[in-house]
Amino acid sequence: DIQMTQSPSTLSASVGDTVTIICRANQNIVTYLAWYQQKPGKAPKVVIYRTSNLKPGVPSRFSGSGSGTDFTLTISSLQPDDFATYYCQQYDSYPWTFGQGTKVEIK
Amino acid sequence: EVQLVESGGGLVQPGRSLRLSCTTSGFIFGDYAMSWVRQAPGKGLEWVGYIRTRSYGGATHYAASVKGRFIVSRDDSKSIAYLQMNSLKTEDTAVYYCTKSSGWSDEWGQGTLVTVSS
Repeated sequence: DIQMTQSPSTLSASVGDTVTIICRANQNIVTYLAWYQQKPGKAPKVVIYRTSNLKPGVPSRFSGSGSGTDFTLTISSLQPDDFATYYCQQYDSYPWTFGQGTKVEIK
Repeated sequence: EVQLVESGGGLVQPGRSLRLSCTTSGFIFGDYAMSWVRQAPGKGLEWVGYIRTRSYGGATHYAASVKGRFIVSRDDSKSIAYLQMNSLKTEDTAVYYCTKSSGWSDEWGQGTLVTVSS
C-alpha cells in the first residue's frame, strides 16, 4: 500500500498568513493527488484534485503543486473560513490512501 | 444540485451485519463511480471501497482492512450505492461517507454513524 505522510500535523497561523502543507508518498503517484478540507462535524470537501486543479468555487488563494512523491498545498492570505483540517489522498494505486491530516488552527 | 444521502447506520453487535445505502440525485448516477470512506471517532479519513460504472463492469476495490467482509454494490435504476458490511468488528465503528468518485471524491454525503459494540 502507498503510505501518505503529511507535515506538519498541526499548524498555527494568523489571518492573512500564507501557509504550506506538505504531503509525501512513499512511492511515485505521478500527479494523482487530491486535497480535502474538513471542518468539525462536517463531511470533507475537495479543494484540489490532480495535484493542482482547483475545484470550481474554491477560492484562488488555494493552490497545489508537486509530482512523483512530494506535494504541497498552499493557502495564501489565510481567511477565518480556512481554519480546518486538511487531508491529502492518492488515487494512483489501489488501495487509495489518505494522509493523517493537518489541522490549521488560529494562532 | 448534487445530493448524496447515507442511511442505515446504527448500533450493531460484533459479528453481525449491516447494510448502508447512499441515495443520490442531481447527476447521472450510472455515469459515475462511487466510493465509501470512513472516519473513526476523532481519527482521520480511511478509504473503504469503490465501485466502477457498468461500462467498466462494475469492478470493485477494497481496503485490506475490510476486504472479504464488506461489499460495495450499486443499483443504477434507483441511483443508489450500497455498502454491505459483514462480520463487523469494534474497529469498524466510524462515520461512513459515500462519495461520487473520479479517483478523487468530488461530492460527499453527510455521513452515517455505525457503532459496533456489545
